Amino acid sequence: EIVLTQSPGTLSLSPGERATLSCRASQSVSSSYLAWYQQKPGQAPRLLIYGASSRATGIPARFSGSGSGTEFTLTISSLQSEDFAVYYCQQYNYWPPWTFGQGTKVEIK
Amino acid sequence: EVQLVESGGGLVQPGGSLRLSCAASGFTFSSYWMSWVRQAPGKGLEWVASIKQDGSEKYYVDSVKGRFTISRDNAKNSLYLQMNSLRAEDTAVYYCARDAGAYSGWGQGTLVTVSS
Repeated sequence: EIVLTQSPGTLSLSPGERATLSCRASQSVSSSYLAWYQQKPGQAPRLLIYGASSRATGIPARFSGSGSGTEFTLTISSLQSEDFAVYYCQQYNYWPPWTFGQGTKVEIK
Repeated sequence: EVQLVESGGGLVQPGGSLRLSCAASGFTFSSYWMSWVRQAPGKGLEWVASIKQDGSEKYYVDSVKGRFTISRDNAKNSLYLQMNSLRAEDTAVYYCARDAGAYSGWGQGTLVTVSS
């Protein structure tokens, strides 16, 4: 089973700042099979990034994904008020099981 | 637009059963793998089960094997999760998700509470 470890657990930033979220895999994951999701309180997750760097339909350009092997990054270039949420990475390279990271909460400083 | 609507959640005693349903619309249901993902209160996301387009392949997280059964009815554009021998640790919001590799569509979730 591939374990995904996200860091930091919580990121405290101000609107307009840049957010950098990390996702580390316990073994190499093809970049074609790494996704990022955003979840706001009381809502279902929403797909942001698939294939490590491709934005899903309707996702603003301020969200970008990068990385390969065991290290992946989600970057939000300039935080907007609606971006404060919890973010999860997920691998779909080696399954079952499909696995998620434990999440990073981006909160308002 | 992808729409997924779950139903069937509720309060059940330990050892009891529930059947969750997910009604799909806005896409060709029979062309996609489908999955159930759950989220315990205040916790992260956990994959539970997945089913291939024609139902010929099914996979489960170890903690539910032998207790949960995933199924689908392509004629009704519906996904199901039969949950038996429920435990307190199964308490969670259960989401159905369209599986295109990444989960490209999610329902709003249905809450399952296992408690006496």
